[in-house]
Amino acid sequence: SQKIEQNSEALNIQEGKTATLTCNYTNYSPAYLQWYRQDPGRGPVFLLLIRENEKEKRKERLKVTFDTTLKQSLFHITASQPADSATYLCALTDSNYQLIWGAGTKLIIKP
Amino acid sequence: DAGVIQSPRHEVTEMGQEVTLRCKPISGHDYLFWYRQTMMRGLELLIYFNNNVPIDDSGMPEDRFSAKMPNASFSTLKIQPSEPRDSAVYFCASRQGQGSNYGYTFGSGTRLTVV
Repeated sequence: SQKIEQNSEALNIQEGKTATLTCNYTNYSPAYLQWYRQDPGRGPVFLLLIRENEKEKRKERLKVTFDTTLKQSLFHITASQPADSATYLCALTDSNYQLIWGAGTKLIIKP
Repeated sequence: DAGVIQSPRHEVTEMGQEVTLRCKPISGHDYLFWYRQTMMRGLELLIYFNNNVPIDDSGMPEDRFSAKMPNASFSTLKIQPSEPRDSAVYFCASRQGQGSNYGYTFGSGTRLTVV
């Protein structure tokens, strides 16, 4: 069956360092992958989308990589700040362009 | 744009009662999705519409759940009768086009508690 895995344990990072979150998938060949941020009591907010033929995409302090051979996407936040603390979700598209969601990783940036 | 608007933000109801959740998508978005989120199961797609037409309702858990989209600016998700296991956060999301570069826009959700 199709499966998306994100680290279920919270990730604690010191302010100013780079945070790296991982999204692994199996039995799947997605056309593209998306990353969302979710704060408590709020809906997910779209951050970045990367297509299967793109290796890397950047947006300000955010960088996403997509390795279809490893079946893995990495999400990086450089110069992390306490305001970056949130849960980050990855989602893959299926053949109908609908999203299959990971469970999310909670990121905590310590001052 | 005010984004995707959901109401109510919180709903507490007794088991057996009817619950109606409402959603106003972003103007111009032709896809609308209803999701449910719980700690145990994460985000689950319940149903989605394209141009107001239901396309896939395979995620609707039971006949107690129904959804409508009478026009491009309004959708409802109804649970009748409600049960404690329906307690969750229900999100509405909208999207422009298929394969869009812009992802989904979610509302702030409705936290439903059935007692």
